[in-house]
Amino acid sequence: SQQGEEDPQALSIQEGENATMNCSYKTSINNLQWYRQNSGRGLVHLILIRSNEREKHSGRLRVTLDTSKKSSSLLITASRAADTASYFCATDEWDDYKLSFGAGTTVTVRA
Amino acid sequence: KAGVTQTPRYLIKTRGQQVTLSCSPISGHRSVSWYQQTPGQGLQFLFEYFSETQRNKGNFPGRFSGRQFSNSRSEMNVSTLELGDSALYLCASSWGQGAMVEQFFGPGTRLTVL
Repeated sequence: SQQGEEDPQALSIQEGENATMNCSYKTSINNLQWYRQNSGRGLVHLILIRSNEREKHSGRLRVTLDTSKKSSSLLITASRAADTASYFCATDEWDDYKLSFGAGTTVTVRA
Repeated sequence: KAGVTQTPRYLIKTRGQQVTLSCSPISGHRSVSWYQQTPGQGLQFLFEYFSETQRNKGNFPGRFSGRQFSNSRSEMNVSTLELGDSALYLCASSWGQGAMVEQFFGPGTRLTVL
């Protein structure tokens, strides 16, 4: 079973616009990670945020984490056509050795 | 540095057959995890191995099994294939802390069961 929900399920934006997607989860977590997947290929790690962190940046990516609401958001600024992909949040719990993934948000960036 | 490799990339089997998928982690990585991805269930954890020991197993029937070798390479086996086993099987590796750190995923093996 999946740990969380992602919202929206799909997102279509114009190149240059920002894309925001949200992830909610159910249990206490150790870390939360975001991954990108292009067209049914392998997942690529984007960013990891620890449960004691509230915000993290990496290039055009900004991730927030609110453990009291059990939610996270991923913001992609100044989107490009190459950002077209599915984005997944994934959580882990202490000594669990597994990632629990959300259902994913499919982002389409129009030229 | 070479990434995670998975073989074969594509596989077509019929119901009742068995299949073995292989994963070679990034050199130096000792943790290998397997995930199944389907349109209906999404990404689901199968198992995780570290130094030839299974540290966790997902909620899958006993037909799904795996192992890890001393060189950290891993295999997973599915016996008595069912139509619902059609999926993309992804392998991921990391240094040793399992899911607590960045996972490096392979391109996946797409299994079709007819």
